[in-house]
Amino acid sequence: EVQLVESGGGLVQLGGSLRLSCAASGFTFSSYWMNWVRQVPGEGLVWVSRINSDGRRTNYADSVKGRFTISRDNAKNTLYLQMNSLRAEDTAVYYCANYVEGTAHFDSWGQGTLVTVSS
Amino acid sequence: QSALTQPRSVSGSPGQSVAISCTGTSIDVGAYNYVSWYQLHPGKAPKLIIYAVNRRPSGVPDRFSGSKSGNTASLTISGLQAEDEADYCCFSYAGSSTSFYVFGTGTRVSVL
Repeated sequence: EVQLVESGGGLVQLGGSLRLSCAASGFTFSSYWMNWVRQVPGEGLVWVSRINSDGRRTNYADSVKGRFTISRDNAKNTLYLQMNSLRAEDTAVYYCANYVEGTAHFDSWGQGTLVTVSS
Repeated sequence: QSALTQPRSVSGSPGQSVAISCTGTSIDVGAYNYVSWYQLHPGKAPKLIIYAVNRRPSGVPDRFSGSKSGNTASLTISGLQAEDEADYCCFSYAGSSTSFYVFGTGTRVSVL
């Protein structure tokens, strides 16, 4: 069974930093692109960042470029998101999801971790 | 890259059919057959319902179906059931010249 478990969320002050983790199991983690997607409660999903299977290629949404860094450790089957210079608008539930390239869809998702940025 | 447009909410009685539209542009929905749909319940992991416009993952009931015409994709739930009450969000690949991926604004489906 595929499992993705996010952790590391919490309450952080404006301008602060947080590192999210996503522990993967039940599939060949090192073969998949991985993504972070966020959702402000009551609103739709928003793509944040992606990383290719070997970690050499990354992309970011304009809203987080230069502040967030995605990375992965294939030996530990873990995905990360380092979030710096956090803003109020970064408050959201953050999900990790694996991505199937051939049909361009997110196959499995974690339950999410809540990040709250307060002033 | 603007979000794909979905109706805020749709509703139906048990057994009825409801359709959710997902309108994009010629550089996302209209350009690729890579539209997928996700079911969201609060506190739970989002669930893939439809991928590649009209393909259903194993385990998803066949009352869920997808289609696309031009820049608009649709998810239809036939024979609505109480457990279908949830939020639904569409997604489209948007190519490397844009932000790659775009989600819809989300639709709340209510079962009356």
